[in-house]
Amino acid sequence: GNSVTQMEGPVTLSEEAFLTINCTYTATGYPSLFWYVQYPGEGLQLLLKATKADDKGSNKGFEATYRKETTSFHLEKGSVQVSDSAVYFCALQNAGGTSYGKLTFGQGTILTVHP
Amino acid sequence: DADVTQTPRNRITKTGKRIMLECSQTKGHDRMYWYRQDPGLGLRLIYYSFDVKDINKGEISDGYSVSRQAQAKFSLSLESAIPNQTALYFCATSVHGNTGELFFGEGSRLTVL
Repeated sequence: GNSVTQMEGPVTLSEEAFLTINCTYTATGYPSLFWYVQYPGEGLQLLLKATKADDKGSNKGFEATYRKETTSFHLEKGSVQVSDSAVYFCALQNAGGTSYGKLTFGQGTILTVHP
Repeated sequence: DADVTQTPRNRITKTGKRIMLECSQTKGHDRMYWYRQDPGLGLRLIYYSFDVKDINKGEISDGYSVSRQAQAKFSLSLESAIPNQTALYFCATSVHGNTGELFFGEGSRLTVL
């Protein structure tokens, strides 16, 4: 079955530091990959996505590249801000119509950014 | 107002009680989902519905039931709550098609004593 594994957290950084949150996955076929972010007290929202190998998703300064050879989708940001403090979830969705919306999530990584 | 609204936002109940969590959406999406979030486990799919007449079990449906009363409403019921159903529950919606983008409500925190 599908699985998504994220790096252990929590992650604590100073403002303007470089961020990497590792994500690896196990799936059959060619899944789509996602990063969702959950700010305190809110539901999850889509941060970025990639639908095929070597695609790079990007949004709000965050980037992630779909690496099929290493089954990875690591999240990076060159300079984090206090407002980036949140929980980040890596997720995948299998290809095929019956899989739409049925995401497999990683366990989440808590990021705290200090001024 | 939020596009996906969940009620109640917080609920404490006792073992054996019946609980209903409600979700309504104004996004006009056909597809609705119930996920459960547990610390260290991420989110897991409980039930999903691709339209009013189509309801399907997800990964962890045991102990839960759902009702899709209308396109905009999807409720989750725990017929006889147990302590290991203590969790944060999220309703989500999506458009028809393969975008993979889910739109989440703010969550309903349920504690079963």
